[in-house]
Amino acid sequence: QQQVKQSPQSLIVQKGGISIINCAYENTAFDYFPWYQQFPGKGPALLIAIRPDVSEKKEGRFTISFNKSAKQFSLHIMDSQPGDSATYFCAARKGGGNKLTFGTGTQLKVEL
Amino acid sequence: DTAVSQTPKYLVTQMGNDKSIKCEQNLGHDTMYWYKQDSKKFLKIMFSYNNKELIINETVPNRFSPKSPDKAHLNLHINSLELGDSAVYFCASSQASTTEAFFGQGTRLTVV
Repeated sequence: QQQVKQSPQSLIVQKGGISIINCAYENTAFDYFPWYQQFPGKGPALLIAIRPDVSEKKEGRFTISFNKSAKQFSLHIMDSQPGDSATYFCAARKGGGNKLTFGTGTQLKVEL
Repeated sequence: DTAVSQTPKYLVTQMGNDKSIKCEQNLGHDTMYWYKQDSKKFLKIMFSYNNKELIINETVPNRFSPKSPDKAHLNLHINSLELGDSAVYFCASSQASTTEAFFGQGTRLTVV
């Protein structure tokens, strides 16, 4: 049972374009939604995170949009660059807990 | 100045062997984790320790035994290795009162 569903599995975007990755969750006890970026041969690293009391959070070229009623959240990468090519994971954590439940990952490739 | 360090980075071993992976964090965190990333890049938590106490133990074969000698170290011992144990194992740490989990670079285990 996949508690956090992520799509697409892979994504190719032209340099300067917008990359959009979507996630949906079922458990309303989740209260923290981070996005992790993973480069080949490296561990995941926190990119940006949001809590359900806000609908959007922006940090530089990265924006999380959150729709609490639909139980969906998405990552938007503006002005995508080749250096953004990586695997992106959404995740969710229950309130009061430490366990991160990850989505299945999206392999992003930004082409010149 | 590595935050979360794992050794070894690569481990190739034969079926039936027993092996250990070591993890150390110098962030002063009180919670440490082991995650498994399979060949499809799916990340799943295995164990979590808080101040040397086991707090999360997902459905993992009992051939896997974590050990935390102190809150800066969390080692993973695997007995009777099987082909299906081949994966990348990530150690991570966080401070229970905050949310961000910092990951190590991973240990790629190959069982032949």
